[in-house]
Amino acid sequence: AQSVSQHNHHVILSEAASLELGCNYSYGGTVNLFWYVQYPGQHLQLLLKYFSGDPLVKGIKGFEAEFIKSKFSFNLRKPSVQWSDTAEYFCAVNVRQGGKLIFGQGTELSVKP
Amino acid sequence: EAGVVQSPRYKIIEKKQPVAFWCNPISGHNTLYWYLQNLGQGPELLIRYENEEAVDDSQLPKDRFSAERLKGVDSTLKIQPAELGDSAVYLCASSLSGGTQYFGPGTRLTVL
Repeated sequence: AQSVSQHNHHVILSEAASLELGCNYSYGGTVNLFWYVQYPGQHLQLLLKYFSGDPLVKGIKGFEAEFIKSKFSFNLRKPSVQWSDTAEYFCAVNVRQGGKLIFGQGTELSVKP
Repeated sequence: EAGVVQSPRYKIIEKKQPVAFWCNPISGHNTLYWYLQNLGQGPELLIRYENEEAVDDSQLPKDRFSAERLKGVDSTLKIQPAELGDSAVYLCASSLSGGTQYFGPGTRLTVL
């Protein structure tokens, strides 16, 4: 069965620090990859997605992610975090468009002002 | 454009009671999903509809959970009877023909 693993449960950073959140998945075939974010008190929102093409994907609010097929990874990055980036971040995959999303357990990011 | 609407936002019931959750997807979205999110975990799919048809309900505990999507728009998820372990957030999402899934705010269920 497919699974998604997020390396960090809770990350604490100071403003302006760089961010990298790890995500690995287990599936040998073609996948679609997503990062969702949940700000405090809000619903899950799409941050960015990868279906095919350029493995470096840019999303909203300065986030980007790189798909490395050989490592089954889709790590999320941001060069300089802000206090407003405090949220929970979920990596997800599906093996066909429209199919169920398989989520990681989430990473809680706390940014100190 | 309105997003996915869910109600109620919060529900507290005693065990063995029935409970129902309602979802109105984004207008025009033909695919509707119900996910369950336990505390500290990512969401897990319960059921997926393509229009009126449930095309993936393999993770739905059918002894106590049921769902319907009459007319291919709104959907209702029901639990009868509820158990303590059902306390969680129930998320609804919708998409257009297999595209990006957009999530609603969820219903937080507490079973006492």
